[in-house]
Amino acid sequence: DAGVTQSPTHLIKTRGQQVTLRCSPKSGHDTVSWYQQALGQGPQFIFQYYEEEERQRGNFPDRFSGHQFPNYSSELNVNALLLGDSALYLCASSLAGTGGTETQYFGPGTRLLVL
Amino acid sequence: AQTVTQSQPEMSVQEAETVTLSCTYDTSESDYYLFWYKQPPSRQMILVIRQEAYKQQNATENRFSVNFQKAAKSFSLKISDSQLGDAAMYFCAFLYNQGGKLIFGQGTELSVKP
Repeated sequence: DAGVTQSPTHLIKTRGQQVTLRCSPKSGHDTVSWYQQALGQGPQFIFQYYEEEERQRGNFPDRFSGHQFPNYSSELNVNALLLGDSALYLCASSLAGTGGTETQYFGPGTRLLVL
Repeated sequence: AQTVTQSQPEMSVQEAETVTLSCTYDTSESDYYLFWYKQPPSRQMILVIRQEAYKQQNATENRFSVNFQKAAKSFSLKISDSQLGDAAMYFCAFLYNQGGKLIFGQGTELSVKP
């Protein structure tokens, strides 16, 4: 049973560039959430996707956008990168609706460095 | 707004001993979930234990147990028989039942001495 997978594992970009991060949920899960974790901090919620729609959004600018595909996988896009976007980006999956556990299981993360 | 506070930035325990990590939270909701996650140096966030707010019984998973005090809004994690592999950053997290986002504390870094 495959867990949550993320790609790439590491990424280096320069200011102003755009980046796309990818996530495949745990088998049987239909909901994907994205978090940003700065060094030495707890993760901060970016947004959550369910049924290919953004279900909830945290306090992040519009430069952060996402997408969920029919197979439940998801992408996180960040435009006009800033130095402050350097962080570990975590994807978590869960099962929504009746019978869902609400428990979120995390992937290994993508480490983004913006120079 | 919900907040989660972990007042111990660092903790240390001797191998085979017991350690308790503290967590308090603030919410006006009555139906929610609480979690402890472990994040080792590999950076993968691993679920340790989960507690539903409507359950009075404290959750237990092998060597890990919680002390859930709903009225006091306290959710501490006890690790018994500590092992070297328990060394990691531990995060307490809150999830409102009808919401989607986990709210994390700042974390407690646990070191285990041989």
